[in-house]
Amino acid sequence: NAGVTQTPKFQVLKTGQSMTLQCAQDMNHNSMYWYRQDPGMGLRLIYYSASEGTTDKGEVPNGYNVSRLNKREFSLRLESAAPSQTSVYFCASSAAGGKNSPLHFGNGTRLTVT
Amino acid sequence: AQSVAQPEDQVNVAEGNPLTVKCTYSVSGNPYLFWYVQYPNRGLQFLLKYITGDNLVKGSYGFEAEFNKSQTSFHLKKPSALVSDSALYFCAVRVVSNDYKLSFGAGTTVTVRA
Repeated sequence: NAGVTQTPKFQVLKTGQSMTLQCAQDMNHNSMYWYRQDPGMGLRLIYYSASEGTTDKGEVPNGYNVSRLNKREFSLRLESAAPSQTSVYFCASSAAGGKNSPLHFGNGTRLTVT
Repeated sequence: AQSVAQPEDQVNVAEGNPLTVKCTYSVSGNPYLFWYVQYPNRGLQFLLKYITGDNLVKGSYGFEAEFNKSQTSFHLKKPSALVSDSALYFCAVRVVSNDYKLSFGAGTTVTVRA
């Protein structure tokens, strides 16, 4: 009963390096999301994918790209990491993308950019 | 624009006492409201939601929340708190006309002392 799986759990990058955060869900959910969590700011939406084949920007998309590889997988890429991207990143999914569907979250990736 | 506010950064209660975590929202349409809980080093877990109907909503782990349209509030309550309820709690709102973007509050840390 894995739910939403994120890899890696921890990552340290130097400024300017790139990396991809991986996310996979096994609940057959249509919609997937990437959030970042910063102290005192709650969660902010980076990108989302309402269904396979579509992606859209959220509140804070600058510096990120996403790929909805298939129905299960939704990756987040940092092309040139900056210290401001130090954060905890959460992937989430929801059934059918409906407005009343709760989100199911992974356990997060803690990223530090030095 | 939709927004949600959690006016208290921290709530401290004794075990067995009632617990209330406050949330107010601001949306231009009818809101869908959610509460999530986050335990250390974990992703958020869904507690309950208000979509329509009864203003008192019951959720997981003995929690409930009351929707008050006139006060634009959705406070989370538990009649008798447990030490294991100590966690970070997030309120979130989704506007009916905006399917996928969920706005989160900054979070309230609840500490229940034995």
